[in-house]
Amino acid sequence: AQTVTQSQPEMSVQEAETVTLSCTYDTSESDYYLFWYKQPPSRQMILVIRQEAYKQQNATENRFSVNFQKAAKSFSLKISDSQLGDAAMYFCAYKTILAGGGADGLTFGKGTHLIIQP
Amino acid sequence: EAGVAQSPRYKIIEKRQSVAFWCNPISGHATLYWYQQILGQGPKLLIQFQNNGVVDDSQLPKDRFSAERLKGVDSTLKIQPAKLEDSAVYLCASSLGTATGELFFGEGSRLTVL
Repeated sequence: AQTVTQSQPEMSVQEAETVTLSCTYDTSESDYYLFWYKQPPSRQMILVIRQEAYKQQNATENRFSVNFQKAAKSFSLKISDSQLGDAAMYFCAYKTILAGGGADGLTFGKGTHLIIQP
Repeated sequence: EAGVAQSPRYKIIEKRQSVAFWCNPISGHATLYWYQQILGQGPKLLIQFQNNGVVDDSQLPKDRFSAERLKGVDSTLKIQPAKLEDSAVYLCASSLGTATGELFFGEGSRLTVL
């Protein structure tokens, strides 16, 4: 079974600064997907960024980028120019790739609470 | 496009009582998931449906939890009887069911068991 570890329960950053959230995972599969989801207080979880394991190029979405190190099984999220609206719980998640359907639910880490200081 | 709808948003019950949560996925999404998120933890998958069939319910406590997805659309998750440790947010998510499919989450149903 796959596991996802987020070793930072809480991170704090000044507005407009850059912050990096860490994530490591364990799997025996060679192809899979990795995600970062954002969960604001009492609001629904939304996708921030997605990385396909077979792609060497790191994914980027505006101010959000990842550092994907497949050999090290590491998947960190970098948030540049932090904004007050970025304050939330951030979850790293793993998704297996299955041909023909099957059990493919996300496996989540415990999350990192990101605080943005004005 | 309407998102994933869940109800009720909040529910408080006494232990040993029963409760049911409802989820309406995004139109056309074949795959539906129920997750349990205990305070301070990441969501844990309880059950996955593909259309109206169960794909994975390995982590569902079947002695007290049940779920169904009639006609492959709406889904209901029931807990009977509830225990204190069932206090959590129950998240419903749906996806198109493709390998790269993003999961879209509802706002969740927060259960407090007293």
